[in-house]
Amino acid sequence: LAKTTQPISMDSYEGQEVNITCSHNNIATNDYITWYQQFPSQGPRFIIQGYKTKVTNEVASLFIPADRKSSTLSLPRVSLSDTAVYYCLVGSEDSSYKLIFGSGTRLLVRP
Amino acid sequence: NAGVMQNPRHLVRRRGQEARLRCSPMKGHSHVYWYRQLPEEGLKFMVYLQKENIIDESGMPKERFSAEFPKEGPSILRIQQVVRGDSAAYFCASSPPTGTSEQYFGPGTRLTVT
Repeated sequence: LAKTTQPISMDSYEGQEVNITCSHNNIATNDYITWYQQFPSQGPRFIIQGYKTKVTNEVASLFIPADRKSSTLSLPRVSLSDTAVYYCLVGSEDSSYKLIFGSGTRLLVRP
Repeated sequence: NAGVMQNPRHLVRRRGQEARLRCSPMKGHSHVYWYRQLPEEGLKFMVYLQKENIIDESGMPKERFSAEFPKEGPSILRIQQVVRGDSAAYFCASSPPTGTSEQYFGPGTRLTVT
């Protein structure tokens, strides 16, 4: 399973765009990249998943370069309620159920 | 459509007692997963179950821990003879038969062993 590296924490202000980058240098051909969000005292929530290029949904965008050794979660115009821990996960379909959570990135959005 | 339900939300046990954590998956979901989270850490996979079957328990401690997902009723994570090191948040997640990487998590049970 590919190991991921993310910044420990990030600060932002309301209304700004936030980009959180995750490194996964040894990602395998079959691996997908998935991002989860966790608020204090709650379970993680699925945000977005992708394999290559760009994926966008109503919550975020996921940018994956051609070499797939990194990915960037983009949150447009964050609000205070986006303050949470964001986890980048990498795994293949074969073992996709065994989600491997690292320490994540603690995003603090200030007024 | 109710989400994943876990109860109790908070559980206090003295050392040596048993802890039973319950999880009701989302409607239509037949796959259940249990994770454990220590303070300031990410979640750690424990076990993956389908109805009446344990698919992968590679993350479960070899002793004192067991899990089941009976044909009827919730999934149960059971911890016998709890020790202080078992204090953690235990999260249950569920998924439909397809898309096991997109898991829906419950609110967790916070176990405190005194």
